[in-house]
Amino acid sequence: EVQLVQSGAEVKKPGESLKISCQGFGYRFGGWWIGWVRQTPGKGLEWMGVIYPDDSDTKYSPSFRGQVTISADKSTNTAYLQWNSLKASDSGMFYCARLSPSGAYRWFDYWGQGTPVTVSS
Amino acid sequence: QSVLTQPPSMSAAPGQKVTISCSGSNSNIGNNYVSWYQQVPGTAPKLLIYDNDRRPSGIPDRFSGSKSGASAILDITGLQTGDGANYYCLTWDDNFYAGVFGGGTKLTVL
Repeated sequence: EVQLVQSGAEVKKPGESLKISCQGFGYRFGGWWIGWVRQTPGKGLEWMGVIYPDDSDTKYSPSFRGQVTISADKSTNTAYLQWNSLKASDSGMFYCARLSPSGAYRWFDYWGQGTPVTVSS
Repeated sequence: QSVLTQPPSMSAAPGQKVTISCSGSNSNIGNNYVSWYQQVPGTAPKLLIYDNDRRPSGIPDRFSGSKSGASAILDITGLQTGDGANYYCLTWDDNFYAGVFGGGTKLTVL
Protein backbone atom coordinates (compact mmCIF):
# COMPACT_ATOMS: atom_id res chain seq x y z
CA GLU A 1 0.00 0.00 0.00
CA VAL A 2 1.36 3.40 -1.01
CA GLN A 3 1.72 5.80 1.91
CA LEU A 4 3.29 9.21 2.38
CA VAL A 5 4.05 10.07 5.99
CA GLN A 6 4.94 13.65 6.84
CA SER A 7 6.79 15.09 9.82
CA GLY A 8 4.90 16.76 12.64
CA ALA A 9 3.66 20.26 13.32
CA GLU A 10 6.20 23.07 13.60
CA VAL A 11 6.11 26.39 15.43
CA LYS A 12 8.93 28.75 14.52
CA LYS A 13 9.97 32.39 14.87
CA PRO A 14 10.60 34.73 11.92
CA GLY A 15 14.15 34.39 10.66
CA GLU A 16 14.54 30.78 11.75
CA SER A 17 15.20 27.91 9.36
CA LEU A 18 13.03 24.84 8.90
CA LYS A 19 13.08 21.54 7.03
CA ILE A 20 9.99 19.33 6.91
CA SER A 21 9.90 15.82 5.52
CA CYS A 22 7.77 13.34 3.62
CA GLN A 23 8.65 9.63 3.64
CA GLY A 24 7.24 7.29 1.03
CA PHE A 25 6.29 3.66 1.56
CA GLY A 26 4.98 0.88 -0.64
CA TYR A 27 6.48 1.86 -4.01
CA ARG A 28 9.82 2.59 -5.70
CA PHE A 29 10.33 6.08 -4.33
CA GLY A 30 12.97 7.18 -6.82
CA GLY A 31 10.86 6.61 -9.93
CA TRP A 32 7.92 8.91 -9.16
CA TRP A 33 7.83 12.69 -8.93
CA ILE A 34 6.93 14.04 -5.47
CA GLY A 35 5.37 17.46 -5.07
CA TRP A 36 4.69 19.98 -2.32
CA VAL A 37 1.42 21.90 -2.02
CA ARG A 38 0.69 24.80 0.31
CA GLN A 39 -2.67 25.68 1.81
CA THR A 40 -3.07 28.83 3.86
CA PRO A 41 -5.97 29.32 6.30
CA GLY A 42 -9.21 29.75 4.43
CA LYS A 43 -7.39 29.67 1.11
CA GLY A 44 -6.99 27.19 -1.66
CA LEU A 45 -4.21 24.90 -2.79
CA GLU A 46 -0.95 26.22 -4.25
CA TRP A 47 1.45 24.07 -6.30
CA MET A 48 4.92 24.81 -4.92
CA GLY A 49 7.26 22.49 -6.75
CA VAL A 50 8.19 18.91 -7.50
CA ILE A 51 11.24 16.67 -7.43
CA TYR A 52 12.21 13.42 -9.18
CA PRO A 53 14.23 11.56 -6.54
CA ASP A 54 16.14 9.36 -8.99
CA ASP A 55 18.08 12.33 -10.39
CA SER A 56 16.91 15.21 -8.14
CA ASP A 57 15.48 17.10 -11.13
CA THR A 58 13.37 19.85 -9.57
CA LYS A 59 10.74 22.24 -10.87
CA TYR A 60 9.42 25.22 -8.90
CA SER A 61 6.39 27.40 -9.31
CA PRO A 62 7.53 30.98 -10.03
CA SER A 63 5.77 32.02 -6.80
CA PHE A 64 8.02 29.80 -4.71
CA ARG A 65 11.31 29.73 -6.65
CA GLY A 66 14.02 31.20 -4.45
CA GLN A 67 11.75 31.09 -1.39
CA VAL A 68 12.03 27.37 -0.61
CA THR A 69 14.27 24.43 -1.46
CA ILE A 70 12.95 21.00 -2.38
CA SER A 71 15.28 18.03 -2.01
CA ALA A 72 15.12 14.26 -1.71
CA ASP A 73 17.16 11.38 -0.27
CA LYS A 74 16.60 8.14 -2.17
CA SER A 75 18.39 6.11 0.49
CA THR A 76 15.68 6.95 3.03
CA ASN A 77 12.77 7.40 0.59
CA THR A 78 12.30 10.92 1.91
CA ALA A 79 11.53 14.26 0.30
CA TYR A 80 12.14 17.57 2.03
CA LEU A 81 10.87 21.14 1.92
CA GLN A 82 13.21 23.72 3.41
CA TRP A 83 13.18 27.41 4.34
CA ASN A 84 16.35 29.32 5.25
CA SER A 85 14.73 32.35 6.85
CA LEU A 86 11.05 32.03 7.70
CA LYS A 87 8.53 34.85 7.48
CA ALA A 88 5.09 35.01 9.05
CA SER A 89 3.62 34.70 5.56
CA ASP A 90 5.22 31.24 5.25
CA SER A 91 2.67 29.86 7.73
CA GLY A 92 0.27 27.26 6.39
CA MET A 93 -0.47 23.60 5.91
CA PHE A 94 1.98 21.82 3.65
CA TYR A 95 1.13 18.60 1.86
CA CYS A 96 3.41 16.29 -0.05
CA ALA A 97 1.84 14.22 -2.78
CA ARG A 98 3.01 11.65 -5.32
CA LEU A 99 2.62 12.49 -8.98
CA SER A 100 1.43 10.00 -11.54
CA PRO A 101 1.98 8.36 -13.84
CA SER A 102 5.47 7.11 -13.04
CA GLY A 103 8.08 9.41 -14.56
CA ALA A 104 5.51 12.09 -15.41
CA TYR A 105 3.57 14.66 -13.45
CA ARG A 106 -0.01 14.82 -14.58
CA TRP A 107 -1.94 14.20 -11.35
CA PHE A 108 -1.42 13.70 -7.60
CA ASP A 109 -2.62 10.23 -6.66
CA TYR A 110 -1.42 9.81 -3.06
CA TRP A 111 -1.17 12.56 -0.44
CA GLY A 112 0.56 12.90 2.90
CA GLN A 113 -1.42 13.87 5.97
CA GLY A 114 -0.08 17.44 5.96
CA THR A 115 2.38 19.35 8.13
CA PRO A 116 1.11 22.56 9.76
CA VAL A 117 3.73 25.30 10.03
CA THR A 118 3.20 28.38 12.19
CA VAL A 119 5.65 31.26 12.03
CA SER A 120 5.06 33.83 14.75
CA SER A 121 7.11 36.06 16.99
CA GLN B 1 -5.61 35.06 -7.84
CA SER B 2 -5.32 31.75 -9.67
CA VAL B 3 -4.85 31.46 -13.42
CA LEU B 4 -7.64 28.86 -13.35
CA THR B 5 -11.04 30.27 -12.51
CA GLN B 6 -13.60 28.30 -10.53
CA PRO B 7 -16.86 29.55 -9.00
CA PRO B 8 -16.10 30.22 -5.30
CA SER B 9 -19.24 28.48 -4.08
CA MET B 10 -22.19 26.44 -5.25
CA SER B 11 -25.11 24.79 -3.53
CA ALA B 12 -27.66 22.17 -4.46
CA ALA B 13 -30.11 19.80 -2.82
CA PRO B 14 -29.51 16.10 -2.25
CA GLY B 15 -30.25 14.05 -5.35
CA GLN B 16 -29.60 16.92 -7.73
CA LYS B 17 -26.74 17.43 -10.17
CA VAL B 18 -24.07 20.10 -9.98
CA THR B 19 -21.51 21.19 -12.57
CA ILE B 20 -18.30 22.83 -11.38
CA SER B 21 -16.34 24.70 -14.02
CA CYS B 22 -12.63 25.40 -14.31
CA SER B 23 -11.69 28.01 -16.89
CA GLY B 24 -8.16 28.61 -18.10
CA SER B 25 -6.26 29.37 -21.29
CA ASN B 26 -4.41 27.72 -24.15
CA SER B 27 -1.20 27.66 -22.11
CA ASN B 28 -2.73 25.50 -19.39
CA ILE B 29 -6.04 23.63 -19.77
CA GLY B 30 -6.06 24.06 -23.54
CA ASN B 31 -2.83 22.13 -23.95
CA ASN B 32 -2.65 19.81 -20.92
CA TYR B 33 -4.56 17.22 -18.91
CA VAL B 34 -6.81 18.24 -16.00
CA SER B 35 -7.34 16.49 -12.68
CA TRP B 36 -9.90 17.18 -9.95
CA TYR B 37 -9.65 16.85 -6.17
CA GLN B 38 -12.13 16.79 -3.31
CA GLN B 39 -11.07 18.21 0.04
CA VAL B 40 -13.15 17.87 3.17
CA PRO B 41 -12.00 20.57 5.64
CA GLY B 42 -9.32 19.26 7.97
CA THR B 43 -8.27 16.44 5.65
CA ALA B 44 -5.89 16.01 2.72
CA PRO B 45 -7.22 16.41 -0.83
CA LYS B 46 -8.42 13.28 -2.58
CA LEU B 47 -8.11 12.52 -6.30
CA LEU B 48 -11.49 12.33 -8.06
CA ILE B 49 -10.69 12.60 -11.77
CA TYR B 50 -7.44 12.40 -13.73
CA ASP B 51 -6.52 12.89 -17.39
CA ASN B 52 -9.67 15.00 -17.90
CA ASP B 53 -12.25 12.26 -17.61
CA ARG B 54 -10.85 9.15 -15.94
CA ARG B 55 -11.87 7.94 -12.49
CA PRO B 56 -9.50 6.18 -10.09
CA SER B 57 -10.75 2.90 -8.69
CA GLY B 58 -13.12 3.46 -5.80
CA ILE B 59 -14.53 6.75 -7.06
CA PRO B 60 -18.27 6.40 -7.80
CA ASP B 61 -19.48 7.02 -11.34
CA ARG B 62 -21.60 9.88 -9.94
CA PHE B 63 -18.40 11.88 -10.46
CA SER B 64 -17.40 12.60 -14.06
CA GLY B 65 -15.11 15.05 -15.81
CA SER B 66 -14.70 16.50 -19.25
CA LYS B 67 -12.65 19.09 -21.07
CA SER B 68 -13.37 21.29 -24.04
CA GLY B 69 -10.85 23.81 -25.29
CA ALA B 70 -9.52 25.84 -22.38
CA SER B 71 -12.24 24.80 -19.92
CA ALA B 72 -12.95 21.72 -17.87
CA ILE B 73 -15.95 20.65 -15.87
CA LEU B 74 -16.65 18.29 -13.00
CA ASP B 75 -20.14 16.87 -12.86
CA ILE B 76 -21.57 15.35 -9.70
CA THR B 77 -24.92 13.61 -10.02
CA GLY B 78 -27.19 12.20 -7.32
CA LEU B 79 -25.73 14.59 -4.75
CA GLN B 80 -25.29 13.27 -1.25
CA THR B 81 -24.75 15.28 1.93
CA GLY B 82 -21.26 13.76 2.15
CA ASP B 83 -20.34 15.46 -1.15
CA GLY B 84 -20.26 18.80 0.65
CA ALA B 85 -16.57 19.76 0.37
CA ASN B 86 -14.14 21.95 -1.54
CA TYR B 87 -13.27 20.96 -5.10
CA TYR B 88 -10.13 21.93 -6.99
CA CYS B 89 -8.96 21.53 -10.57
CA LEU B 90 -5.28 21.14 -11.43
CA THR B 91 -3.31 21.29 -14.66
CA TRP B 92 0.13 22.19 -15.99
CA ASP B 93 0.88 25.67 -17.27
CA ASP B 94 3.31 25.86 -20.21
CA ASN B 95 4.17 29.51 -19.52
CA PHE B 96 4.93 29.09 -15.81
CA TYR B 97 6.43 25.65 -16.46
CA ALA B 98 4.66 24.56 -13.27
CA GLY B 99 1.40 23.11 -12.08
CA VAL B 100 -1.51 25.38 -11.26
CA PHE B 101 -4.60 24.79 -9.13
CA GLY B 102 -7.93 26.47 -9.55
CA GLY B 103 -9.09 28.71 -6.71
CA GLY B 104 -11.45 26.04 -5.44
CA THR B 105 -15.23 25.68 -5.22
CA LYS B 106 -17.01 25.18 -1.93
CA LEU B 107 -19.98 22.88 -2.53
CA THR B 108 -22.82 22.93 -0.05
CA VAL B 109 -25.39 20.16 -0.21
CA LEU B 110 -28.46 21.54 1.50
